[in-house]
Amino acid sequence: GQQLNQSPQSMFIQEGEDVSMNCTSSSIFNTWLWYKQEPGEGPVLLIALYKAGELTSNGRLTAQFGITRKDSFLNISASIPSDVGIYFCAGSTTSGTYKYIFGTGTRLKVLA
Amino acid sequence: NAGVTQTPKFQVLKTGQSMTLQCAQDMNHEYMSWYRQDPGMGLRLIHYSVGAGITDQGEVPNGYNVSRSTTEDFPLRLLSAAPSQTSVYFCASTGTSADTQYFGPGTRLTVL
Repeated sequence: GQQLNQSPQSMFIQEGEDVSMNCTSSSIFNTWLWYKQEPGEGPVLLIALYKAGELTSNGRLTAQFGITRKDSFLNISASIPSDVGIYFCAGSTTSGTYKYIFGTGTRLKVLA
Repeated sequence: NAGVTQTPKFQVLKTGQSMTLQCAQDMNHEYMSWYRQDPGMGLRLIHYSVGAGITDQGEVPNGYNVSRSTTEDFPLRLLSAAPSQTSVYFCASTGTSADTQYFGPGTRLTVL
């Protein structure tokens, strides 16, 4: 089946640092989504991307839809302790069906 | 506005038992889906529905049944539970665009 490679798997950073993570796919995607999941809860959608090259921000978070349509990037600026969690990317190869493939997640830990 | 609700939050079954995981949403969303999340892995799509009376299989449908008799409810049935179905199950509903997707809080299922 289709694979989404998400990296890094985990990262420890100091409070105030910027964070970058990415997802790559073996297939071309029409939509990319980024989620955050905290322990014991369901994923919460952070950013949705709909076209190649698109750059979208949500507060300190910025995500980009790669121009090859096979990758996406998420940046968190000036990290704070509440950024701790697991960040997932998800992509869909078919517009309008909402059938998403999820990456394996990036576990972020912020050191105060 | 409760969003997406799931019951139960926790469940322990013995191999061979059957049960139904409940999911309900109050946002009048047409699209609903079930995912399972295993340790170290992303979410995998089990079944989904694009509206009342319409369901289809996702990536990992074996051992699960669904039905969608109303817009609000989308139950997931395990007919004969197996240890391989030990997982956390998430229900999600989506409105008219991908950025209106919401996940429920999850059901943690253990099959002994």
